[in-house]
Amino acid sequence: QQQVKQSPQSLIVQKGGIPIINCAYENTAFDYFPWYQQFPGKGPALLIAIRPDVSEKKEGRFTISFNKSAKQFSLHIMDQPGDSATYFCAASGWDSNYQLIWGAGTKLIIKP
Amino acid sequence: DVKVTQSSRYLVKRTGEKVFLECVQDMDHENMFWYRQDPGLGLRLIYFSYDVKMKEKGDIPEGYSVSREKKERFSLILESASTNQTSMYLCASSPPSGANVLTFGAGSRLTVL
Repeated sequence: QQQVKQSPQSLIVQKGGIPIINCAYENTAFDYFPWYQQFPGKGPALLIAIRPDVSEKKEGRFTISFNKSAKQFSLHIMDQPGDSATYFCAASGWDSNYQLIWGAGTKLIIKP
Repeated sequence: DVKVTQSSRYLVKRTGEKVFLECVQDMDHENMFWYRQDPGLGLRLIYFSYDVKMKEKGDIPEGYSVSREKKERFSLILESASTNQTSMYLCASSPPSGANVLTFGAGSRLTVL
């Protein structure tokens, strides 16, 4: 029940495409869903986060779509080549003691 | 610019050696974490601490211990390194008001031969 399943594991898109990374969770007590971005040689950094009271949140070129009934959330990127990185989704709630439960990560490569 | 600093970026150790990984944060955060990152496995929590001299086991604490003698410093200790502990180790911190909003260090890549 504490798992967060992330797909795909890797993704290659041409510049101008819209990469989409998906995550699914089981625990209905989760109420915070962040995405972290990690460049090579760096630690992950918080990119964008959503709570279940909204179905979509956009910040710049990054959009989270959230489907509460399906227990799924997705990251959409209006891509630039500089967005090539590894992306992690995560979730937390009161019964994870607000500890983040992490997806396995998606390595995104954007071809110029 | 707020920072989490991991003093050793790359380490090579031999099996059986004792390994110390140091992490310092300058944000006055109460919460500190140690994760290991392996391809396809995401981030796995080793230990965390909510206060000085306090520690809690995460999901994979076996073979590791931690020390938090000062608020800003959280150390990960491998008492007897093994080859299966070859990995990227990430330290993170967060404030009490946003316990799940983490700031990470750049990581320490440990190779155990």
